[in-house]
Amino acid sequence: GENVEQHPSTLSVQEGDSAVIKCTYSDSASNYFPWYKQELGKRPQLIIDIRSNVGEKKDQRIAVTLNKTAKHFSLHITETQPEDSAVYFCAATQQSSASKIIFGSGTRLSIRP
Amino acid sequence: NAGVMQNPRHLVRRRGQEARLRCSPMKGHSHVYWYRQLPEEGLKFMVYLQKENIIDESGMPKERFSAEFPKEGPSILRIQQVVRGDSAAYFCASSQAGTSGETQYFGPGTRLLVL
Repeated sequence: GENVEQHPSTLSVQEGDSAVIKCTYSDSASNYFPWYKQELGKRPQLIIDIRSNVGEKKDQRIAVTLNKTAKHFSLHITETQPEDSAVYFCAATQQSSASKIIFGSGTRLSIRP
Repeated sequence: NAGVMQNPRHLVRRRGQEARLRCSPMKGHSHVYWYRQLPEEGLKFMVYLQKENIIDESGMPKERFSAEFPKEGPSILRIQQVVRGDSAAYFCASSQAGTSGETQYFGPGTRLLVL
């Protein structure tokens, strides 16, 4: 089945700097890659997603890139702010089981003032 | 437009008791998914249901766990004879059509603590 690896597990950046989180997936048939942000004690919230027919997508300070050949996808946050501190999860949806989302293990992002 | 609702938000049970978790999907959504999140870990898929049907239960333990989504009322995740290892946050999500690439919206979760 699908397996999603996520790195790093923790990330600390200075406020205003950029943060990058990387993920790899194993099932070449996966076609949808959402990213979720989870604040402490809260529900996961979708912040951005990308489909396999697109290489890059941007929404204000957040961007995602997808390399289908290498089965890599990444989240980029620019001009980080204190409210960006949270745990971020990458995920992939299997083509063969359309509705099952496979999550990465998460990255705890801390923004230093 | 109310989002996904879950209750209770917190549940404490002693070993051997039953835990019953409820999930009401967003209005207009007929597809429900349950995920489990152990402390300091990611979310793991458990089960996917449509009204009156279990579509995929490949992530659910074979024993003690069951799920249903009746024609009327919320989806229910039932854990019988709970053990300490069942302590976790249980999130449900819902979607409209259940298709690949469709956004799943998460509820606030039920935090189960087994003493």
